[in-house]
Amino acid sequence: GAGVSQTPSNKVTEKGKYVELRCDPISGHTALYWYRQSLGQGPEFLIYFQGTGAADDSGLPNDRFFAVRPEGSVSTLKIQRTERGDSAVYLCASSSEWEGSYNEQFFGPGTRLTVL
Amino acid sequence: AQSVTQLDSQVPVFEEAPVELRCNYSSSVSVYLFWYVQYPNQGLQLLLKYLSGSTLVKGINGFEAEFNKSQTSFHLRKPSVHISDTAEYFCAVSEGGRDMRFGAGTRLTVKP
Repeated sequence: GAGVSQTPSNKVTEKGKYVELRCDPISGHTALYWYRQSLGQGPEFLIYFQGTGAADDSGLPNDRFFAVRPEGSVSTLKIQRTERGDSAVYLCASSSEWEGSYNEQFFGPGTRLTVL
Repeated sequence: AQSVTQLDSQVPVFEEAPVELRCNYSSSVSVYLFWYVQYPNQGLQLLLKYLSGSTLVKGINGFEAEFNKSQTSFHLRKPSVHISDTAEYFCAVSEGGRDMRFGAGTRLTVKP
């Protein structure tokens, strides 16, 4: 069975460029999460989708960051005008979702973004 | 808002020795608590979780953790470690099951 996959595994870009990071969740999982893990730190929550809509985007650091999930499956994290401080590993996780119950988040391997 | 403090950034230990990785949390409400392991170039893997009930939680690979509400702690333990346990370990807290907050991590290095 396939787990959460993320592409590319590594992305090197120049300061000021635009990047897109893709996440393919586990089939059937309705909830999808993005986290950012800077060097020497734990994952930091960015955004959570329930279906197609962003249920909580309070972790996005500024308006250069945007994420979409148009069909409720694959999600793309988009970063405009990249800065060196955006360099990090971007993690995606997915979970099934139903009311009143905890659902384990399954993590992908991450995309390592390096902004030169 | 909830937060997590992992008290040790690095823990070196010899093979077959016991280990404890410390985690303290802060929250104004009841929480869920988790320990994740991250091997090099791999995603996070759930070791164990506390949702409710018994305060001693057993996980995979022989790890266990004890929830202590009065001390707001959730320390991870293993009685005898193996070389293969070398990895980064993250403690996490959630107030609603979705909004997880992670600690900075503890790098466990098991030496022969």
